[in-house]
Amino acid sequence: AQKITQTQPGMFVQEKEAVTLDCTYDTSDQSYGLFWYKQPSSGEMIFLIYQGSYDEQNATEGRYSLNFQKARKSANLVISASQLGDSAMYFCAMREGVDSSYKLIFGSGTRLLVRP
Amino acid sequence: DAGVIQSPRHEVTEMGQEVTLRCKPISGHNSLFWYRQTMMRGLELLIYFNNNVPIDDSGMPEDRFSAKMPNASFSTLKIQPSEPRDSAVYFCASTKGSNQPQHFGDGTRLSIL
Repeated sequence: AQKITQTQPGMFVQEKEAVTLDCTYDTSDQSYGLFWYKQPSSGEMIFLIYQGSYDEQNATEGRYSLNFQKARKSANLVISASQLGDSAMYFCAMREGVDSSYKLIFGSGTRLLVRP
Repeated sequence: DAGVIQSPRHEVTEMGQEVTLRCKPISGHNSLFWYRQTMMRGLELLIYFNNNVPIDDSGMPEDRFSAKMPNASFSTLKIQPSEPRDSAVYFCASTKGSNQPQHFGDGTRLSIL
């Protein structure tokens, strides 16, 4: 079974609008962490935001926020005020297990295209 | 601060040749990861090290692949002999904690002809 599911292979958004990228996860562990990465066409992987399973507040980093719904096992990324430079692949990833486990499992990604 | 440094950035070689990919993690990071990215399989973890010790190598495809971390500032991923299906982008990443982000290098784009 897929541990991380990103159901949107591709999305469009108009510049300056907000967009939500979906991510659902599957784990039976109580302690886990969720990460989002951006991969522009140049290929590098850029860390965006992190949410721990025990964090009560949704994580925010500038224009990025994570809509964490634990009961639904979803960790959607919200990008506000989209910019042309946001066009990229976005990957959701999960670290599961005890705190000493560093292994990340990545989803298949969502390609976002921002229209001018 | 310098990020994760990988070399070479690009490698093109013929089938059967030995390939060595190199990685310098961020100073102070005690965990290092090797990933492979392809269109078909996405991002796959090959192996990771904690404090220079291999912890999980279950993602290493087969015996042709080997990885070492002789010290805290250097790791290699070796493929011998290489095959066309090994063509991919190989990323190295490092982190200082399980709840900390993994920082990725720019990757090595490997093409096996």
